[in-house]
Amino acid sequence: GQQLNQSPQSMFIQEGEDVSMNCTSSSIFNTWLWYKQDPGEGPVLLIALYKAGELTSNGRLTAQFGITRKDSFLNISASIPSDVGIYFCAGPYFGNEKLTFGTGTRLTIIP
Amino acid sequence: ETGVTQSPTHLIKTRGQQVTLRCSSQSGHNTVSWYQQALGQGPQFIFQYYREEENGRGNFPPRFSGLQFPNYSSELNVNALELDDSALYLCAIRTARGYTFGSGTRLTVV
Repeated sequence: GQQLNQSPQSMFIQEGEDVSMNCTSSSIFNTWLWYKQDPGEGPVLLIALYKAGELTSNGRLTAQFGITRKDSFLNISASIPSDVGIYFCAGPYFGNEKLTFGTGTRLTIIP
Repeated sequence: ETGVTQSPTHLIKTRGQQVTLRCSSQSGHNTVSWYQQALGQGPQFIFQYYREEENGRGNFPPRFSGLQFPNYSSELNVNALELDDSALYLCAIRTARGYTFGSGTRLTVV
């Protein structure tokens, strides 16, 4: 079945730094979703992308839908302590309603 | 923002027992999905209900079953619990923006 691989697996950064993470798939996706999950909580939707090449921002977050439809990128600018958490990419495989989630990127901010 | 409520928040069960988890939303949504999230992993799709009928299923055995009610609330039932069933169980509703998740039920099987 389709798989989503995220990199890096974890990141340790200082407050104020910019962050970049990506997600790649072995199959084409027609929608890319980026979620953030805090401990003990469900994933919260950050950004949704619906068209190849689309670049969308939500405050300090920017995400892009790759031209090949097999990848997506998430950038966080000027990180703050509340950015700590696990970031997941997800997408419904073309023609299928279920969401396939990536392996996650754990973001830690070093004091 | 549409709220999704799951109950209970935490649950401890013994191997072999049966469990029922519940999900409801503030506004009725006719599509609800359930996911299992093992520790350190991303959520895995269990199944989806649309207008009270299952219309998609992931790679989970038949002892995982569900119901969706006329008011669009939903239940996940797991029979013959196994230790590997210990996980965070999430329900999600389909909205115009995508999928909104509840905070989940943490199930521990001992």
